[in-house]
Amino acid sequence: LLQESGPRLVKPSETLSLSCTVSGGSISTSYSYFWGWIRQPPGKGLEWIGSLYYSGSTHYNPSLKSRVTISVDTSKNQVSLKVSYVTAADTAVYYCARSLSYSGIIGRVDVWGQGTMVTVSS
Amino acid sequence: QSVLTQPPSVSGAPGQRVTISCTGSSSNFGAVYDAHWYQQLPGTAPKLLIYGNNNRPSGVPERFSGSKSGTSASLAITGLQPEDEADYYCQSYDNSLSGPVFGTGTKVTVL
Repeated sequence: LLQESGPRLVKPSETLSLSCTVSGGSISTSYSYFWGWIRQPPGKGLEWIGSLYYSGSTHYNPSLKSRVTISVDTSKNQVSLKVSYVTAADTAVYYCARSLSYSGIIGRVDVWGQGTMVTVSS
Repeated sequence: QSVLTQPPSVSGAPGQRVTISCTGSSSNFGAVYDAHWYQQLPGTAPKLLIYGNNNRPSGVPERFSGSKSGTSASLAITGLQPEDEADYYCQSYDNSLSGPVFGTGTKVTVL
């Protein structure tokens, strides 16, 4: 249902770019869901990066907000993630995730992508 | 940056009951937002285990149960099985973050 794609290796100070292709439903008409990204550094826990609502509104983790952009391409039914000025601390498995929406609240994640490992290194 | 605190590890023999605590605050559980739990097997994506404090998605065994009280939540595994060895994460919504938050994670070991 959710498939991540993008470069696995990014150089420090550059921009990390990933795409998530959604199959089985249209992002633009799914008013019950948020579409977003969650990451997990090696050996560590889960961190919410941000989410996008079908209307196009976005919500970001304050700790990453200045470097993160999440956008949608409705023609491809894809959600994209960009993280600028990356460092080694951004090395992680990045998951695309579908979360339920409860009156604008980002709820539980009911569908996860398989995840893609991105390494930041020169 | 996790605002939900879990014990790093718990263990038990097959058939035993283990519980995992998840301690939050007034901006998440205390603000009546629900607790959800995920199971992550090695090398795989997390899987929803419990939602809305105490509900199991279809296909999740009955030995998994959840509860929430005040600013804390807990997950219980009754009748521990070898296949339950995994990492477990709690999750809620936090109104100071204006987004979802995850617990620090707990590794369950079956002895």
